[in-house]
Amino acid sequence: GAGVSQSPSNKVTEKGKDVELRCDPISGHTALYWYRQSLGQGLEFLIYFQGNSAPDKSGLPSDRFSAERTGGSVSTLTIQRTQQEDSAVYLCASSSGQAVNTEAFFGQGTRLTVV
Amino acid sequence: KNQVEQSPQSLIILEGKNCTLQCNYTVSPFSNLRWYKQDTGRGPVSLTIMTFSENTKSNGRYTATLDADTKQSSLHITASQLSDSASYICVVSAVFSGGYNKLIFGAGTRLAVHP
Repeated sequence: GAGVSQSPSNKVTEKGKDVELRCDPISGHTALYWYRQSLGQGLEFLIYFQGNSAPDKSGLPSDRFSAERTGGSVSTLTIQRTQQEDSAVYLCASSSGQAVNTEAFFGQGTRLTVV
Repeated sequence: KNQVEQSPQSLIILEGKNCTLQCNYTVSPFSNLRWYKQDTGRGPVSLTIMTFSENTKSNGRYTATLDADTKQSSLHITASQLSDSASYICVVSAVFSGGYNKLIFGAGTRLAVHP
C-alpha cells in the first residue's frame, strides 16, 4: 500500500474485554514496530518484528499483551482483559530493514480507550 | 544496552526564539540517526537523516548535528514558529547480524511555541 495503515482508528472497549489492533505495513517492508503513546507522553516501545519473527518483545508490559505477524506483512497486537491503564494511542511503524538509510514510516495510530 | 536518551523532556519557547534539543545514544553498531517531528494526533515524520560521516545537516530552519565520537546529536530550530509545536523524536539505526537495521527510538521532546 501507499503507507502504513492501522485499524481501527478509534476503539472504545469495556474493562476486561479483549481487543485486537491491526497494522498493515508498507509492502515489502520487513521490519515492523509497535509503540504506544499515552496522553502527553513519549513513545513507549512494545515489540519489533523482522519478517515473521519478533527478536525483541522486551517492551510488552505484561502477559496480557501479545503480537503476531503472518506472511511477513500484517501484524496484530492483542490486549487481553483490558485495563484502564491500557488506554493510549498504539502506533505501528514499518521500515525496509535492510536499506542503509532506512526510514520508519508510521501509521496514524489506533486510539484505545478502556472504560 | 542500546538506548536513546533525549532532553529536555518538554520545552516552552516564545515565537521567534531559537532552541536546541539534545539526543544521546548508546547504540552500537551505529548506522544512522534521524530526527522525526510528530504533530499532535499524527504519526512521526522524518525531518533529517545523518550517517556516521556527517557532522551537520540542515532542512530549512532545522539544523541537526552529530558527534559520533561522543554519541550525541542536537536539533536546532531557528526563528521558531507556532507550527513548530510538536514532539521531536531522535531515532538511531543499528545494524545487526544478517545486515538488518533495527531502529531505536527516543521518548521525544515536546516543544510548545507560544505567541
